Amino acid sequence: SAVISQKPSRDICQRGTSLTIQCQVDSQVTMMFWYRQQPGQSLTLIATANQGSEATYESGFVIDKFPISRPNLTFSTLTVSNMSPEDSSIYLCSVEWDRGRPQEQFFGPGTRLTVL
Amino acid sequence: GQSLEQPSEVTAVEGAIVQINCTYQTSGFYGLSWYQQHDGGAPTFLSYNALDGLEETGRFSSFLSRSDSYGYLLLQELQMKDSASYFCAVSFDYKLSFGAGTTVTVRA
Repeated sequence: SAVISQKPSRDICQRGTSLTIQCQVDSQVTMMFWYRQQPGQSLTLIATANQGSEATYESGFVIDKFPISRPNLTFSTLTVSNMSPEDSSIYLCSVEWDRGRPQEQFFGPGTRLTVL
Repeated sequence: GQSLEQPSEVTAVEGAIVQINCTYQTSGFYGLSWYQQHDGGAPTFLSYNALDGLEETGRFSSFLSRSDSYGYLLLQELQMKDSASYFCAVSFDYKLSFGAGTTVTVRA
C-alpha cells in the first residue's frame, strides 16, 4: 500500500487568491489523481497527473483554473487559481498503487479549503 | 458521464445486516468498486467485482450483476465503527467514477 500526505490540511483563503496543494507519496507511483469533494457529496475527478506529461483534465475542469505539476514519481501539486467561494471544498489526491488493480486507489487525507 | 445511484442514508442497529444498493446507467466498465469514508477521513478501498457474482471480504461482501446494471455492498454484524459513508465506483481503464455515497449510521 501507499502512504500519502497532503499539505496544507486546511486553509481559509480570500477570493481572488490562489492556493497550491501538495501531495507526497512514500513510494514511486505512475498514476496520481486529484479529486474534489464538497462536504457530504461524492468525489469528482479533476485530473490525472502523470510524470513527464501534461495532466489530463476531466470535463468541466481546465488547466488555467487548476494547474497541476508532477515533477517526479512521488510528488504532485494542484493549484486552485483565482479562487471564489464556489471553490470551497475538500481536495484529495490519490494514487494507483498496482497497475494490475486500477480499481484500488489510495487517497491522501485531503485539504479542506474555505474561500471567503 | 456515468450515473450511479445509491440510497442517501441507511440506519441500523449493532449486529444487524445492511445492504447498500448501487444501480448504474453505464457500460463498458471494468468493474465495480466500493470505498468507505469516515467523517473527515480519506476514502479507503473495500471491495471490487470484475465479474458477476459475490465477493466476500470478512464482514463485507459485494455483488455485481451486469445484466441487471446493479450491485450491492453487504455489511454484516454491524459495529459502531462501521458508521461511515460508502461509495460505489465504476472503473474505466485507470479512472474511477463515484456514486453519490450512502451514509450508514449504526445505533447501539
